[in-house]
Amino acid sequence: SQQGEEDPQALSIQEGENATMNCSYKTSINNLQWYRQNSGRGLVHLILIRSNEREKHSGRLRVTLDTSKKSSSLLITASRAADTASYFCATDAQGFQKLVFGTGTRLLVSP
Amino acid sequence: DAMVIQNPRYQVTQFGKPVTLSCSQTLNHNVMYWYQQKSSQAPKLLFHYYDKDFNNEADTPDNFQSRRPNTSFCFLDIRSPGLGDAAMYLCATSRDGLAGTYEQYFGPGTRLTVT
Repeated sequence: SQQGEEDPQALSIQEGENATMNCSYKTSINNLQWYRQNSGRGLVHLILIRSNEREKHSGRLRVTLDTSKKSSSLLITASRAADTASYFCATDAQGFQKLVFGTGTRLLVSP
Repeated sequence: DAMVIQNPRYQVTQFGKPVTLSCSQTLNHNVMYWYQQKSSQAPKLLFHYYDKDFNNEADTPDNFQSRRPNTSFCFLDIRSPGLGDAAMYLCATSRDGLAGTYEQYFGPGTRLTVT
């Protein structure tokens, strides 16, 4: 069954704007990961945040994790057209060495 | 510098005709995964190998089988493809995680069409 639900399902913004995507999950986790997928391609790992961390940064990416609310957010600052992709959160709640992916957010960044 | 390679990138097969998809990795990771991803959906785990130990997901149809002859290679066999099996098939690898699951490295995928 789906562990993660993402919100919004689709997001359309202009270049230079910030994009925020949210992920909610159901059971306790060791870590939560965010992945990016360009159309018709494989997924690329973006960032991993552990359950004892609250915030993590990587370049233009900022991820927060609130384990009390079982939710995470991914913020992309100063977006570019090249950021157009689907973004998935994934949790390891369902067992060792396994990830369960959320429903994904399709981001469109217009020049 | 390709790390996870999938062949072929596009595969067309006929209804009921067995098909094999292949995956190889240069990362020397001991965990390998196969996912099925249908249009606009999340990747769905079919099974994974921890070294030679095979772990099948409970809802993976019997029509799907896998082989891992060595660390570097893994195959997905679909014995009798149906129209509902048309999808992108993604192979991924990860290191052995002691606390939680490490990040996964994905191949570019094989898009399967069933006619």
